[in-house]
Amino acid sequence: GAVVSQHPSWVICKSGTSVKIECRSLDFQATTMFWYRQFPKQSLMLMATSNEGSKATYEQGVEKDKFLINHASLTLSTLTVTSAHPEDSSFYICSARRDRENYGYTFGSGTRLTVV
Amino acid sequence: KNQVEQSPQSLIILEGKNCTLQCNYTVSPFSNLRWYKQDTGRGPVSLTIMTFSENTKSNRRYTATLDADTKQSSLHITASQLSDSASYICVVSPGTYKYIFGTGTRLKVLA
Repeated sequence: GAVVSQHPSWVICKSGTSVKIECRSLDFQATTMFWYRQFPKQSLMLMATSNEGSKATYEQGVEKDKFLINHASLTLSTLTVTSAHPEDSSFYICSARRDRENYGYTFGSGTRLTVV
Repeated sequence: KNQVEQSPQSLIILEGKNCTLQCNYTVSPFSNLRWYKQDTGRGPVSLTIMTFSENTKSNRRYTATLDADTKQSSLHITASQLSDSASYICVVSPGTYKYIFGTGTRLKVLA
């Protein structure tokens, strides 16, 4: 159990366009999902906490108007990178948390975004 | 300041050898500590999760230890295999929605 599906696994887009990444919890409900970004050889960096039915909470330094998060249902959160630029090229990973803390949280397989 | 430091940053070992990865943290309060394995280009996969009262936990060839007094954890890999080549991330939770990530140890296992 506790499978998180992330789509797409990779995407190449032109500078100035927008890209949407989906994160789905397949066999459990997730009131909270997290979005991370990882640059090469660096650790995961939390971008925002996505809360079902309410606004996302963004970490300091993350532009909420650029990284739009929508968590409209208990099994789906989306991250939209708006007006993407080459510096947004990165590995984006989502994770979802079950209600009970001891289950920890499960990560998606990640999305490699390349902006050209 | 809540921090998680891992060492070494990178490690190269021969197949079949054992190795130990270290994680030191200053996170307070402490709820639990997790070790994740992340293959290149993939999401992290949980190896172990340990709470305050647990000293040792094993998952196949992976054995994690926790010393809550010294705020140290280690991940021991026994009889390494080529598929163990990955980044290993230590994550400490203070018990809220916050999770403090270590910078990871990149392990390379050579034939």
